[in-house]
Amino acid sequence: GAVVSQHPSWVICKSGTSVKIECRSLDFQATTMFWYRQFPKQSLMLMATSNEGSKATYEQGVEKDKFLINHASLTLSTLTVTSAHPEDSSFYICSVRAAGVLHEQYFGPGTRLTVT
Amino acid sequence: EDKVVQSPLSLVVHEGDTVTLNCSYEVTNFRSLLWYKQEKKAPTFLFMLTSSGIEKKSGRLSSILDKKELFSILNITATQTGDSAVYLCAVKPNTGNQFYFGTGTSLTVIP
Repeated sequence: GAVVSQHPSWVICKSGTSVKIECRSLDFQATTMFWYRQFPKQSLMLMATSNEGSKATYEQGVEKDKFLINHASLTLSTLTVTSAHPEDSSFYICSVRAAGVLHEQYFGPGTRLTVT
Repeated sequence: EDKVVQSPLSLVVHEGDTVTLNCSYEVTNFRSLLWYKQEKKAPTFLFMLTSSGIEKKSGRLSSILDKKELFSILNITATQTGDSAVYLCAVKPNTGNQFYFGTGTSLTVIP
């Protein structure tokens, strides 16, 4: 099946710094990638939809200037958490929608961010 | 407002028991319903259901969809400790890229 990787898998940063998370589609070209956030004991919440070559679409309540998304190629999308605060500590998961596969999305392994 | 509700929120059973997890939804322009298993990391895909009444089966897991009553169930028979996980239900509408996730059911199987 499809393989999606994320890097790093775990990161600790100090409050006020920025952190970049990469999501790579290893097996196929991904025109659309999704970024989710999951707080402990809660479900996945879609943050934004990342489209290759165009601006990301953010869900209501997600600050686009704080969570910068770049989808510069068909295999790579990045999420940068700028000026991170402890409340940004969460599990960030990307997923990939493959061209021609209408309904299924393939999840990356996730990145656990802890802001101290 | 589109929403997906799962029940129960958590469940503790003994090995060998059979469990039924529920997912009900209110989503405009329904396209498909998906079940995922999440253990510590990202969710892994289990089933995708698009038609009512057709059971999908994989080993001890099975799932069925009722589009009239707007719900799906996930059955796990002869549970094992390795089945312990959070089971997520998601619904995909016909339009847009959004998948609506439920809050999940946390299943713990004790030996």
